[in-house]
Amino acid sequence: AQKITQTQPGMFVQEKEAVTLDCTYDTSDPSYGLFWYKQPSSGEMIFLIYQGSYDQQNATEGRYSLNFQKARKSANLVISASQLGDSAMYFCAMREGYQAGTALIFGKGTTLSVSS
Amino acid sequence: NAGVTQTPKFQVLKTGQSMTLQCAQDMNHEYMSWYRQDPGMGLRLIHYSVGAGITDQGEVPNGYNVSRSTTEDFPLRLLSAAPSQTSVYFCASSPGDRVARGYGYTFGSGTRLTVV
Repeated sequence: AQKITQTQPGMFVQEKEAVTLDCTYDTSDPSYGLFWYKQPSSGEMIFLIYQGSYDQQNATEGRYSLNFQKARKSANLVISASQLGDSAMYFCAMREGYQAGTALIFGKGTTLSVSS
Repeated sequence: NAGVTQTPKFQVLKTGQSMTLQCAQDMNHEYMSWYRQDPGMGLRLIHYSVGAGITDQGEVPNGYNVSRSTTEDFPLRLLSAAPSQTSVYFCASSPGDRVARGYGYTFGSGTRLTVV
């Protein structure tokens, strides 16, 4: 079974609108971390936001927020006020266990296209 | 301020040729890993290392070898390249301690490999 599922291959949004990218995860470890990365067409992996399994509040970083619903095992990324530069591939990833030296498990990604 | 450096950025190989993808980090990170990215597949873990002299296999290790003789370097070797190894390869590193925040994972800029 997939540990990270991103069900939206592609999403389209207009500038200044908000968009939600879905991510569900599967783990039996009570300690885990959830990450979102952005990959623009240039190819680099850019870290956006992180949520720990014991964090009480949803993570926020500027225009990015993570809608963390632990019971549903979902960690959706919300981008407010979309910009043309947000057009990219977005990956959800999970680290099982709470040590930094553990591999990330990635979803297959969602391509976001922002139009003017 | 180099972070994780991958070389080369692009490479074309003929089937059966061997080559080494280089990865070096200057952050004294204990953990290093190699991923491959294929269309529609996300990033999949090839090999990883939790410290000098210690390596282990990830999800897709076949056809690849690694070694970790120093903390800084983690080369990935293709002994006999096959067209199925055409992919984009990413190296990543993180600290080995329990400061497990999202910024702990640093990715290189990737190597685009084509095997013909």
